[in-house]
Amino acid sequence: NAGVTQTPKFQVLKTGQSMTLQCAQDMNHEYMSWYRQDPGMGLRLIHYSVGAGITDQGEVPNGYNVSRSTTEDFPLRLLSAAPSQTSVYFCASSSRQGVYSPLHFGNGTRLTVT
Amino acid sequence: GENVEQHPSTLSVQEGDSAVIKCTYSDSASNYFPWYKQELGKRPQLIIDIRSNVGEKKDQRIAVTLNKTAKHFSLHITETQPEDSAVYFCALTSSGTYKYIFGTGTRLKVLA
Repeated sequence: NAGVTQTPKFQVLKTGQSMTLQCAQDMNHEYMSWYRQDPGMGLRLIHYSVGAGITDQGEVPNGYNVSRSTTEDFPLRLLSAAPSQTSVYFCASSSRQGVYSPLHFGNGTRLTVT
Repeated sequence: GENVEQHPSTLSVQEGDSAVIKCTYSDSASNYFPWYKQELGKRPQLIIDIRSNVGEKKDQRIAVTLNKTAKHFSLHITETQPEDSAVYFCALTSSGTYKYIFGTGTRLKVLA
């Protein structure tokens, strides 16, 4: 199993551009989520999904959209990139078979907005 | 919403000494408390976790303790080694929400 796969690994955008960060998992996990990691801020939840067709907002959802059309994929869309969105983005998934299911993280996407 | 406070933000110890990181939370419904280790440039990885019906759990040199009454849980690393140097995050979630909330992280440096 590949686990959680994120693409791209690095991305540079200009202010106002849009793009989609891809996330795919092959563990048949129901729960998927996106975090951003900034120095001194830890991991902050952007959006999450508990199954196909179901999404909800986390702590910092503004400027980001998500959709969950399949169990495997959970893309994160930046509608109009801003320098404040410069960060490292992690996708993570877990099983809903029990609440005691740890998160499995992808390798991250480092995004720079100039 | 739920909040997790993690202390200290940085911690330096001599090799062989112990390290303790503490997290405090507010929502009494929280019932699962994992700890993650993140090495430089890598993804966070689970190192140990504890459920709300357990007070302590050990795995070789690492242990986690939970005090539900005081709403805090701690990571203990004994006999620290240079390879323990990393950023450590506490996290929590509760039944039914599946939202994981993370602390702000502790940068541990083990000095040889």
